[in-house]
Amino acid sequence: SYVLTQPPSVSVAPGKTASISCEGNKIGSKTVHWYQQKPGQAPGLVIYYVTDRAPGIPERFSGSNSGNTATLTISRVEAGDEADYYCQVWDTESAHVVFGGGTKLTVL
Amino acid sequence: EVQLVESGGDLVQPGGSLRLSCAASRFTFRTYWMSWVRQPPGKGLEWVANINQDGSEQYYVDSVKGRFTISRDNAENSLYLQMNSLRDDDTALYYCARIGYCHGDYCRGVSINDYWGQGTLVTVSS
Repeated sequence: SYVLTQPPSVSVAPGKTASISCEGNKIGSKTVHWYQQKPGQAPGLVIYYVTDRAPGIPERFSGSNSGNTATLTISRVEAGDEADYYCQVWDTESAHVVFGGGTKLTVL
Repeated sequence: EVQLVESGGDLVQPGGSLRLSCAASRFTFRTYWMSWVRQPPGKGLEWVANINQDGSEQYYVDSVKGRFTISRDNAENSLYLQMNSLRDDDTALYYCARIGYCHGDYCRGVSINDYWGQGTLVTVSS
């Protein structure tokens, strides 16, 4: 089955740039979506179709995807960006949705 | 705004059954694919199942195949998850989510969950 691997945690100082990776075999050939989940809340869509921002998501959030790695980049990080982030793809071969294990973003 | 409200979560013994419901409102429910996604306590998201607009196609994660059934009633704007032969590792918060940013059969291979409910808790324990 298809596996997506994310780092368990990423830490960044306010105002700096955070990059959250999502690794999978030939993930560059798939459309990747990203979700943000703050404590006690349901997940919310952040990025879809690799680079499109969901309504209300600031331009500081961007996505990319190539080779075996997709990346969510958050520029000028703010305290309010602290959350868990999940990548997601559809695996055509298995007809399954796959989530990455999630990355906890900590703003120092 | 789109509203999804789950219900039916409960404490159930291993081997038992439970039926979750999701009441959808403020969008044309019958035109959207829908999902169930779960999250065990303190852990990450796990996709459970998808269903197409008229209920004729369903997709399941391997761990629930043969035990869970996703269904919908478009007249009642409701999504369901019938869970049988429940196991300890089915314990989780179960979310209902809409699949958006796609149209018709293209949604089969997309699964972008653009709206989520607040979840209903299923605890399997003796």
